[in-house]
This record gives sequence, structure tokens and C-alpha cells, in this order.
Amino acid sequence: DAGVTQSPTHLIKTRGQHVTLRCSPISGHKSVSWYQQVLGQGPQFIFQYYEKEERGRGNFPDRFSARQFPNYSSELNVNALLLGDSALYLCASSLKTVGTEAFFGQGTRLTVV
Amino acid sequence: AQSVTQLDSQVPVFEEAPVELRCNYSSSVSVYLFWYVQYPNQGLQLLLKYLSGSTLVKGINGFEAEFNKSQTSFHLRKPSVHISDTAEYFCAVSDPGPGGSQGNLIFGKGTKLSVKP
Repeated sequence: DAGVTQSPTHLIKTRGQHVTLRCSPISGHKSVSWYQQVLGQGPQFIFQYYEKEERGRGNFPDRFSARQFPNYSSELNVNALLLGDSALYLCASSLKTVGTEAFFGQGTRLTVV
Repeated sequence: AQSVTQLDSQVPVFEEAPVELRCNYSSSVSVYLFWYVQYPNQGLQLLLKYLSGSTLVKGINGFEAEFNKSQTSFHLRKPSVHISDTAEYFCAVSDPGPGGSQGNLIFGKGTKLSVKP
């Protein structure tokens, strides 16, 4: 079975641009979460979606948004990119929101120049 | 807000020696606890988790962790490490969000384990 897949794997953007990152969860998983991992730090929670509804939001500005589609795949959008948005963006899927293992994708490495 | 403290940013150890990676969390309420491993340029892989029950949790690759509620700790141990265990290890706690959801993970800053021959 395929694991969590994220695209693209690497991305270079210019300050002020917009970016869309994509995530396909494991088949049967209805919950998708997004995390930002800055170099040398642990992942920080951005969003969680379950059954297409937002179930949680971390401490990130409104430039960050996400959505989940009927097939449970998800997109993370970031507007007006800043240099500080450069990070590894990780997507995790799980069966439910509570107490079940989160499976992580390989991540998308975003570099803002 | 909950927080996770990993007390050592780097742990060097010789092959076949035992290792302990320390983790403390801030919450006094019931939480779920996790240890993840991250190899270079890869995502996170779950090593083990504590949800309830026995305080000694066994995971993959010979790792185990002990949940200590009174000390709010969840230290990771392995009796004999291999070169292939060289990686970064993250302790995480689930955050009970709105409506009882506990899916949000709060991570520590990570501990880099370096196993030397």
C-alpha cells in the first residue's frame, strides 16, 4: 500500500509569491494534518482536517490556509511568502483525530529566496 | 499550552552501548505520548506510543520508553545501539484541542543521536 505522498518534493519560490503544497493520505485515512519543520527544530502544527472540516489550527498567520477534498487529499496554501517560510512541510494522515498513529509523508522542502 | 522538553540536543554514543534520550512534558492532564525518528531528508516514523495501560512501552527496532506521570517524563531507551540508529529523535505529546480532539502533536526540538563505531 502507498504511504502518505506529498508533492512536490522540492520547491523554490520568491518572496511575495504564493505556493500550494499537496498531500494524499493513506487509503482509508480521513484525517490530514500539516506541520512546518524549520531547520534544527521540531515540527510545528499548522492545521488538522477531518472529514473535510478544519479540526485544529496552530499559531500561524492568515497567510496560511488549507482545505481537504472529498477524496481526503489536502492542499496547504501559503500567500505572500516570506524568507522565514523556508522549511520542510510535513503532511500526516491518520484514521481518526484521536489517539491513532499519524503517518508522515517525506515532506516538501520549500525554499523562499 | 503544553510543551515538550528534550533535555539533550545531541547524544554521541559508541556502537553496542546503551542509550537514553530524555523527554519531559508540561501537562498535568491525561495525554498521549509518542517518540518519532527522522532520518536525513525523510519524514517522521513512529517508534512507539503511550495511550494508556502499562507504563513501559515497547516499540520498533528494540526501543522502549517508560511513562512516568509523577515526573511528567517519557524517556526513550535502547540497551544496545547500532550505527543504523544514527538519526534525530523527536518526543511528542498530543494536545487535547477543541471538542476533545487529541490529534494535534506538540513536538520537542529533537535529539540527534550519533552512534560511533
